[in-house]
Amino acid sequence: ETGVTQTPRHLVMGMTNKKSLKCEQHLGHNAMYWYKQSAKKPLELMFVYNFKEQTENNSVPSRFSPECPNSSHLFLHLHTLQPEDSALYLCASSQGPAGRYNEQFFGPGTRLTVL
Amino acid sequence: LAKTTQPISMDSYEGQEVNITCSHNNIATNDYITWYQQFPSQGPRFIIQGYKTKVTNEVASLFIPADRKSSTLSLPRVSLSDTAVYYCLVGQNAGNNRKLIWGLGTSLAVNP
Repeated sequence: ETGVTQTPRHLVMGMTNKKSLKCEQHLGHNAMYWYKQSAKKPLELMFVYNFKEQTENNSVPSRFSPECPNSSHLFLHLHTLQPEDSALYLCASSQGPAGRYNEQFFGPGTRLTVL
Repeated sequence: LAKTTQPISMDSYEGQEVNITCSHNNIATNDYITWYQQFPSQGPRFIIQGYKTKVTNEVASLFIPADRKSSTLSLPRVSLSDTAVYYCLVGQNAGNNRKLIWGLGTSLAVNP
């Protein structure tokens, strides 16, 4: 257990569905992240939140919409996804911005399949 | 932005020392080098972090030469449970944001 939980662990959705991924951290951290992990590609940082404020959006398509209602919870709202969006979506948190002495703690991920 | 390059895969045997090298030619002055380990169906887990020379903790050592253009993760006496993917991460400042550059990872297989 890393102190970061993600639900659901697996999700299958059609391209016209709307779904949400949830992440919760029990570590008292101030920064939270969404990553996309696809086979044979580096981990892709999608969004970064510091103290509930979005500080980074790495050119992510608008069909992915993050929400951070408080420093412990992070959501990723999904709508009209494409099959190429199928991947493992990882949530992470860190005490401060990731870097020196701010190691990231990852959740187990949500395996998303878009049909 | 820094880009990291690692071997795609490595094989070893129980009890051996394993060294995984990561290249990061464009590393910036303020960047630190961090290594993570990932098992199937789990998120990555922090192993070690360093800036230069050598860092050692209870599970690994990290060697960084003076030019900092590469780093080597050393796992002493590996066991079957060390079979995992190992990622090299270089933290990069880009304006007011930190761009986190992950490598493709090295898939380490430890054989009996």
